[in-house]
Amino acid sequence: NAGVMQNPRHLVRRRGQEARLRCSPVKGHSHVYWYRQLPEEGLKFMVYLQKENIIDESGMPKERFSAEFPKEGPSILRIQQVVRGDSAAYFCASSPPRRGPTDTQYFGPGTRLTVL
Amino acid sequence: DAKTTQPNSMESNEEEPVHLPCNHSTISGTDYIHWYRQLPSQGPEYVIHGLTSNVNNRMASLAIAEDRKSSTLILHRATLRDAAVYYCILRANFGNEKLTFGTGTRLTIIP
Repeated sequence: NAGVMQNPRHLVRRRGQEARLRCSPVKGHSHVYWYRQLPEEGLKFMVYLQKENIIDESGMPKERFSAEFPKEGPSILRIQQVVRGDSAAYFCASSPPRRGPTDTQYFGPGTRLTVL
Repeated sequence: DAKTTQPNSMESNEEEPVHLPCNHSTISGTDYIHWYRQLPSQGPEYVIHGLTSNVNNRMASLAIAEDRKSSTLILHRATLRDAAVYYCILRANFGNEKLTFGTGTRLTIIP
């Protein structure tokens, strides 16, 4: 079975452009999470989605960032008008439908965004 | 979320056991203790989790103190591939879905 897939693995954008990061969860997983890791820092939670619903977006910056997980297709993290401070590794994770503190999250390899 | 405290870094010789400590003195009775690790340039991966009893799996063992205020991840025979940042994370009961990563312990394996 394929694990969590993210694409692109590397993305270069100029300031002011849009970045779209895609995440395909493990087959059968209905929960998706996005985390960001700034250079030399730890991972920070951004948003938690289930199919067609945003459950927790407490870690998302209030402006320029949005996320979706449509009924069909991958989850998308969209960053509008990127700035240099958005340069980071963005990781997606998924977990199966059962919810609870024993659930394991499966992480993708990440998308490394560089803003010039 | 209850806070965890880990040493910033540790070193160990290859093929020797490694004990990675984690303090979580404010843990609540229903918090599970999870460990994840992040190898260089990769996404985190799950290692092990437990509640009260010690746990073993193919990757590691988890020893939990009787008062649950601390735990230790044990790698029985470290290899170079175990060099990573190890994160100790508390997960509350139902309703707390996100993982809250601290700074973790950077483990260096000496050949």
